[in-house]
Amino acid sequence: DTGVSQNPRHKITKRGQNVTFRCDPISEHNRLYWYRQTLGQGPEFLTYFQNEAQLEKSRLLSDRFSAERPKGSFSTLEIQRTEQGDSAMYLCASSLGFLGGETQYFGPGTRLLVL
Amino acid sequence: GESVGLHLPTLSVQEGDNSIINCAYSNSASDYFIWYKQESGKGPQFIIDIRSNMDKRQGQRVTVLLNKTVKHLSLQIAATQPGDSAVYFCAENFGNEKLTFGTGTRLTIIP
Repeated sequence: DTGVSQNPRHKITKRGQNVTFRCDPISEHNRLYWYRQTLGQGPEFLTYFQNEAQLEKSRLLSDRFSAERPKGSFSTLEIQRTEQGDSAMYLCASSLGFLGGETQYFGPGTRLLVL
Repeated sequence: GESVGLHLPTLSVQEGDNSIINCAYSNSASDYFIWYKQESGKGPQFIIDIRSNMDKRQGQRVTVLLNKTVKHLSLQIAATQPGDSAVYFCAENFGNEKLTFGTGTRLTIIP
């Protein structure tokens, strides 16, 4: 399978715990994006990387959230001191390009439930 | 599977009929538009895209129409099949890297 992959697919945690999600983009895609989707809503942009550089962060990405893409390939999204409001589907997408407006291909998502 | 949206606008179509899903976008400066299909428990799947210098684009069984005057986008699906049942999102991009998604429409195919 050469699509975007995400792990784990599901995560249940207790409030206050830290969680980390991983995204492996399509091979050779230089851009990687994180989105969050709650029930009944479309995905909302969180942040994106071009290679290893994090170029934009949404206001939704509070101080408890951090994302990395250390070698310009896979990325991790960590949430510290989780809150019940963090329960959502976390989606990763990747694209190939340099000028903007390239097609973003999504992974299957990681469903987070904070108890 | 888990529902991706519980209170979405819905469209029910008889199998074999054509479907038209509409979307109003927000930013007149948007220059790139994409339709995604999302099945229960899965990530959005790319269907078709269109740039602002076009008003129509066709794919396999799908057509996207863009009306920039009224900031309206539509997705037409020909000869709908049971596998077309899903939530459909339009997304817009206006010169930066993030996509802004619409609310979504749940399409149900009636056998």
